[in-house]
Amino acid sequence: DAGVIQSPRHEVTEMGQEVTLRCKPISGHDYLFWYRQTMMRGLELLIYFNNNVPIDDSGMPEDRFSAKMPNASFSTLKIQPSEPRDSAVYFCASSLGTGNTEAFFGQGTRLTVV
Amino acid sequence: AQSVTQLGSHVSVSEGALVLLRCNYSSSVPPYLFWYVQYPNQGLQLLLKYTSAATLVKGINGFEAEFKKSETSFHLTKPSAHMSDAAEYFCAVTPRGSYIPTFGRGTSLIVHP
Repeated sequence: DAGVIQSPRHEVTEMGQEVTLRCKPISGHDYLFWYRQTMMRGLELLIYFNNNVPIDDSGMPEDRFSAKMPNASFSTLKIQPSEPRDSAVYFCASSLGTGNTEAFFGQGTRLTVV
Repeated sequence: AQSVTQLGSHVSVSEGALVLLRCNYSSSVPPYLFWYVQYPNQGLQLLLKYTSAATLVKGINGFEAEFKKSETSFHLTKPSAHMSDAAEYFCAVTPRGSYIPTFGRGTSLIVHP
């Protein structure tokens, strides 16, 4: 397996624009996580899915953020409208449905909102 | 709620010196414990994990960690640091019966020549 694949790797956008981040998890993994990493707040869990169903989105900072998982092999994180304070690295991770297995992370998307 | 604390946001060592990165968790029931490493501009990758087998766990790149229930700790060590070990290290815990890891704030390891 190629691992967790995220696209794009880098995104620069203007304030107010819509941004869509994409993720392909590892085949067979039941859980998919979206994280945001910043210097100030570290690694924050935004939302996670189990078998394509959103389970907990309490980490999503505002209604401007939304996430979907239409099938087992694809998920999106959308920010609309984007703001400069959304600038961060966004990671997607997937794992099997057992607590003793690790999460596998993608390479991340570095988002810059100007 | 489960929490994990990494003492020291930055640790600086000389090449060849002992590396010690600290991690403590808060839970009455020992959770599953993980150490991840993040190299610049990359995602996190697993170094090692504790799943209630041996308390001393060996990982990749010469790292190991020891689970100590009495101290609720899972510190990461390496006998001799290499320049290539410079990276961000994250401790993570997953409570028993859960599938959701909680990550510490991370410790940046700096290795001097």
